Amino acid sequence: DGGITQSPKYLFRKEGQNVTLSCEQNLNHDAMYWYRQDPGQGLRLIYYSQIVNDFQKGDIAEGYSVSREKKESFPLTVTSAQKNPTAFYLCASSMSWGNEQFFGPGTRLTVL
Amino acid sequence: DQQVKQNSPSLSVQEGRISILNCDYTNSMFDYFLWYKKYPAEGPTFLISISSIKDKNEDGRFTVFLNKSAKHLSLHIVPSQPGDSAVYFCAAKAWEDTGRRALTFGSGTRLQVQP
Repeated sequence: DGGITQSPKYLFRKEGQNVTLSCEQNLNHDAMYWYRQDPGQGLRLIYYSQIVNDFQKGDIAEGYSVSREKKESFPLTVTSAQKNPTAFYLCASSMSWGNEQFFGPGTRLTVL
Repeated sequence: DQQVKQNSPSLSVQEGRISILNCDYTNSMFDYFLWYKKYPAEGPTFLISISSIKDKNEDGRFTVFLNKSAKHLSLHIVPSQPGDSAVYFCAAKAWEDTGRRALTFGSGTRLQVQP
């Protein structure tokens, strides 16, 4: 089955630690995205990548880093510099210039 | 600066009736609009979309209307079913100088369909 997988579904981290969220897709999509959702808010763009080995900052990139070494994978690292990391993180992908984005199931990160 | 606004955080409708979810936007460069449906602890799923060259798009029980002069779009669900209970996000796209085509989302409207 084609789709987007995110792991783990729930993640706990101690304050001051870096943590990496996984996102894999087998849809052969060129573009991938990371969003963050907070209660009562829409999804906000953290980083996006339109092609392998290239990525751009979104609206709230501070405290996050990404890599795009493979077309299928777009991991997100939440660093200790991120002031409020507790949130629901969503990964998405799309065709290069496609309008519709397909989302993974999300990872809920809680910082203790 | 919220470019896509969903001013109603929640909506309750009786089963069988029409649900109307509204969305306003401020960026006149938006040329494509989408509605996503989201259940708790899951990723959003695409529902329906509309290009700025159209004013209506229909798919089964779901119809999206676009009023460009008012910078307003709405999603109509007829008839509403209990399984439609979810959070609905309005999203929009624009061509930007950077080539970015990411989505800008509204804050969502929680729809509750009462049996």
